[in-house]
Amino acid sequence: ETGVTQSPTHLIKTRGQQVTLRCSSQSGHNTVSWYQQALGQGPQFIFQYYREEENGRGNFPPRFSGLQFPNYSSELNVNALELDDSALYLCASSLQGMGWNEQFFGPGTRLTVL
Amino acid sequence: DQQVKQNSPSLSVQEGRISILNCDYTNSMFDYFLWYKKYPAEGPTFLISISSIKDKNEDGRFTVFLNKSAKHLSLHIVPSQPGDSAVYFCAASAGETSGSRLTFGEGTQLTVNP
Repeated sequence: ETGVTQSPTHLIKTRGQQVTLRCSSQSGHNTVSWYQQALGQGPQFIFQYYREEENGRGNFPPRFSGLQFPNYSSELNVNALELDDSALYLCASSLQGMGWNEQFFGPGTRLTVL
Repeated sequence: DQQVKQNSPSLSVQEGRISILNCDYTNSMFDYFLWYKKYPAEGPTFLISISSIKDKNEDGRFTVFLNKSAKHLSLHIVPSQPGDSAVYFCAASAGETSGSRLTFGEGTQLTVNP
């Protein structure tokens, strides 16, 4: 059973550019959540996808968008990058059902915006 | 508005002694609480959780205490080991399903000295 993987590991972009980050969920999981972790802060919820539909969104502008594919892999897209978008981006997969099911996090993608 | 707060950015303890990490929350809708551990270059990993209907949950060396009236929870690690050195995040959820978003605190860097 493979865990949650993310690509790329590191990325450097300039202000105004667009970026796509990728996440491969743990086998059998149908839910993926994305978080932004700024330096010295805890992860902040961006949005969640369940069965390819957005299923909740945090306090992030529309230039943050996502996709979930039939194989439950996922993308996070950020348009018009700003300096404050520099952060570690984490995805977490889980199997949504009855009761609590653990969210498994990937190692993250470190995005630097210059 | 920081709904989950960890007021101690760092904690240093001797091997074999008790580590106590604290967390406060403000949102009365939170009813499920979790602790995650994070090593550098890895994603957060689930450690232990507690539902709001309980006031204590134990798992080996780890115990989480919840004081609902004070909106406070703590993680006790006894005995502490050097391998416990990591950043510990407190997280809260409104609802026990894996579909619920997690709200994280800022994290506490625990260092266990041999």
